[in-house]
Amino acid sequence: QKEVEQNSGPLSVPEGAIASLNCTYSDRVSQSFFWYRQYSGKSPELIMSIYSNGDKEDGRFTAQLNKASQYVSLLIRDSQPSDSATYLCAVLMNYGGSQGNLIFGKGTKLSVKP
Amino acid sequence: DGGITQSPKYLFRKEGQNVTLSCEQNLNHDAMYWYRQDPGQGLRLIYYSQIVNDFQKGDIAEGYSVSREKKESFPLTVTSAQKNPTAFYLCASTSTGWNEQFFGPGTRLTVL
Repeated sequence: QKEVEQNSGPLSVPEGAIASLNCTYSDRVSQSFFWYRQYSGKSPELIMSIYSNGDKEDGRFTAQLNKASQYVSLLIRDSQPSDSATYLCAVLMNYGGSQGNLIFGKGTKLSVKP
Repeated sequence: DGGITQSPKYLFRKEGQNVTLSCEQNLNHDAMYWYRQDPGQGLRLIYYSQIVNDFQKGDIAEGYSVSREKKESFPLTVTSAQKNPTAFYLCASTSTGWNEQFFGPGTRLTVL
């Protein structure tokens, strides 16, 4: 069974704090990992992709990947109320076609309090 | 502007009706996907197409049908055989060789 697990939250952090979102996945040969942000009633927006072990930083966002532990995380520094959304972890797993397909977690709802 | 468009934004269906959701992209992407999202759930793959005139079933294809006659277009038909079609439907696309999928704005379907 191809699975991506996330804590559903809600995760509540004060404005200016670091928000830490976590994700585990079942397929140890997965090579591509993504974080999407989804505001209520809207479609998912890609915010980070990571392919290699270690950290990848983009502005206030840092994605961390540990393939040995089958774990990927997203850190949001200096959290703002506008970061309040559901964050979806997605993992490319090879279960159909030559390109593989994304398996999504159920998402973690983040609330940043002013 | 390049992007993915979906129409309509909201759609209401009566029991026993077939309805078709539109998805168009002008990004020159090869692969297109349809997902369904239910409240509190992750996205589930309905159908995908990696090339014109070819498509594959995803995890929850029963009660749905698609076509891919043009590279830019991947319409989804929700048939009367789909027992619980009320959901948020999302179309996505990506280029061959790239894994990053980009989503359209979605269609919210409600069965009356």
